[in-house]
Amino acid sequence: AQKVTQAQTEISVVEKEDVTLDCVYETRDTTYYLFWYKQPPSGELVFLIRRNSFDEQNEISGRYSWNFQKSTSSFNFTITASQVVDSAVYFCALRSPIQGAQKLVFGQGTRLTINP
Amino acid sequence: DGGITQSPKYLFRKEGQNVTLSCEQNLNHDAMYWYRQDPGQGLRLIYYSQIVNDFQKGDIAEGYSVSREKKESFPLTVTSAQKNPTAFYLCASSIGGSGANVLTFGAGSRLTVL
Repeated sequence: AQKVTQAQTEISVVEKEDVTLDCVYETRDTTYYLFWYKQPPSGELVFLIRRNSFDEQNEISGRYSWNFQKSTSSFNFTITASQVVDSAVYFCALRSPIQGAQKLVFGQGTRLTINP
Repeated sequence: DGGITQSPKYLFRKEGQNVTLSCEQNLNHDAMYWYRQDPGQGLRLIYYSQIVNDFQKGDIAEGYSVSREKKESFPLTVTSAQKNPTAFYLCASSIGGSGANVLTFGAGSRLTVL
């Protein structure tokens, strides 16, 4: 079975602090894809990144960075120098082409609040 | 601009009534999905469709029905058989149904049963 766990339900930091959102996944497949989505107060989920299981290279996009480690089944997301506009709910998700190709399995989400 | 339009944004329903949520996309995507979001539970898949006139049940399909008569449209009906329908409903689409494809989401519809 596939499962995604985001143990941090809520995180609150002061603006300009760095913050890391944890994501741990479970799957028996060797080929799979991991995603991060952002859900601002408006409700629409915004795609941030996709990673396939064969590419463990870390990725940086501006203030955002992602650390993918297959050895620990983790795909953590770090925001550097956080800003108030980063306040949102963040979801980590897993999708396997073999088991349930149509199903994007989501974690419970982490509500991030950046205080000015 | 291409995207997904969901309507209505807010909907109130009395117990025992069916209600239909609209989802329209102009992205020319083949696959479409309906997810339900409850506080603290992430998103759960209700139904999905890979092509016109075909759809499959997700994890929580009981009490819901869908149709896919046009590529652009994937309406969701919440029937009176759904025991706890109050939730936030999100529609999504993707180019195809493979695991690599990114889902694009609409802004959601919030249903409240009075």
